[in-house]
Amino acid sequence: QVQLQESGPGLVKPSGTLSLTCVVSGGSISSSYWWTWVRQPPGKGLEWIGEIYHSGSTNYNPSLKSRVTISVDKSKNHFSLKLTSVTAADTALFFCARADLAVTAPEYWGQGTLVTVSS
Amino acid sequence: DIQMTQSPSAMSASVGDRVTITCRASQGISNFLAWFQQKPGKAPKRLIYAVSSLQSGVPSRFSGSGSGTEFTLTISSLQPEDFATYYCLQHNSYPRTFGQGTKVEIK
Repeated sequence: QVQLQESGPGLVKPSGTLSLTCVVSGGSISSSYWWTWVRQPPGKGLEWIGEIYHSGSTNYNPSLKSRVTISVDKSKNHFSLKLTSVTAADTALFFCARADLAVTAPEYWGQGTLVTVSS
Repeated sequence: DIQMTQSPSAMSASVGDRVTITCRASQGISNFLAWFQQKPGKAPKRLIYAVSSLQSGVPSRFSGSGSGTEFTLTISSLQPEDFATYYCLQHNSYPRTFGQGTKVEIK
């Protein structure tokens, strides 16, 4: 059974860079899946951030595209999210997830990690 | 972007009630529609994919239907563990977009 676990700083300063990692266990990140990031501001709904395939191919939400980078590290079996120039509006619970190529709605999710943007 | 509009945004229901949640897409999304359940502080859980396919392990009281731009999630007999927020997701085109959520509360 695949498991995903997010990690990273829980507090980031305004104008700084938010960096998160999602470690994949119970499966290889080189398998045929889209590795995905989704966020949820406190008390609000879900927002799809973007996804990466093990080849490095990415798709991003245009609303964040200028600030977001998703990368994959096959040697560590993890993928990462970087979001630059953060503001308080980026405070959210961040989830990593896995979606297969046939049904691209994420099936497996990490537990989520809260990132607060504050000075 | 495809806009997904869920209704209602919140509802109160009793155990045993039949519950219906609707999701409308701003344009056709074929059958690329999934439903998720989320409880406070937890990750979303996929209930339905491809409009009407039940995720393995999900009780059969959950069902999905619809086509084109209008889709429905139905809970045939609401159970205590079903009180949660439900989201639809279109994965027909980029960016993927979620509905704003429907919170099902205890009456």
